[in-house]
Amino acid sequence: GQQLNQSPQSMFIQEGEDVSMNCTSSSIFNTWLWYKQDPGEGPVLLIALYKAGELTSNGRLTAQFGITRKDSFLNISASIPSDVGIYFCLSGGSNYKLTFGKGTLLTVNP
Amino acid sequence: DTEVTQTPKHLVMGMTNKKSLKCEQHMGHRAMYWYKQKAKKPPELMFVYSYEKLSINESVPSRFSPECPNSSLLNLHLHALQPEDSALYLCASSHDPFGPPFYEQFFGPGTRLTVL
Repeated sequence: GQQLNQSPQSMFIQEGEDVSMNCTSSSIFNTWLWYKQDPGEGPVLLIALYKAGELTSNGRLTAQFGITRKDSFLNISASIPSDVGIYFCLSGGSNYKLTFGKGTLLTVNP
Repeated sequence: DTEVTQTPKHLVMGMTNKKSLKCEQHMGHRAMYWYKQKAKKPPELMFVYSYEKLSINESVPSRFSPECPNSSLLNLHLHALQPEDSALYLCASSHDPFGPPFYEQFFGPGTRLTVL
């Protein structure tokens, strides 16, 4: 099946630092989504990308849909303690199924 | 209302029990999903309902039985579960089951299930 390689697996940063994480695949996708999951909660949609090359921001978050349609990155600027959580990339192709990355666990030290 | 609600939040059951998980959304979404999530793993798709009909079953054991009574409700009936079925069960919904913005799924908070 389709697989996404999400990295890094975990990150430990200081408050105020910028964060970058990415997902790559050997397959071409039509959609990239980024979700955040807090402990004991369901994932929450952060950014949705639908066009190759698209760059979208949501507050301190910026994500891009790679031009090859095989990758995406998410940047978080000026991190704060509430950014702590697991970030998942998801991609969608033509078969109406979403593929999840394995997640990036972000820890922010105040 | 942009919320997916799930009840109960926590559930402990024995292997001989029968229980049900409930999910509700009032966003007019026509696709609803059940996922299973183990600790520190991404959610795994179990079932997809499209326009109240089961459209995807990811080879889930028959001890899990989904039901979609109407476009706003989704149930997951549990019977004779095993301890390895203990997990966070997530419900999600999306506007359209075919194509974007199908992919923009809204997740509920989940039910933490423990099977003893």
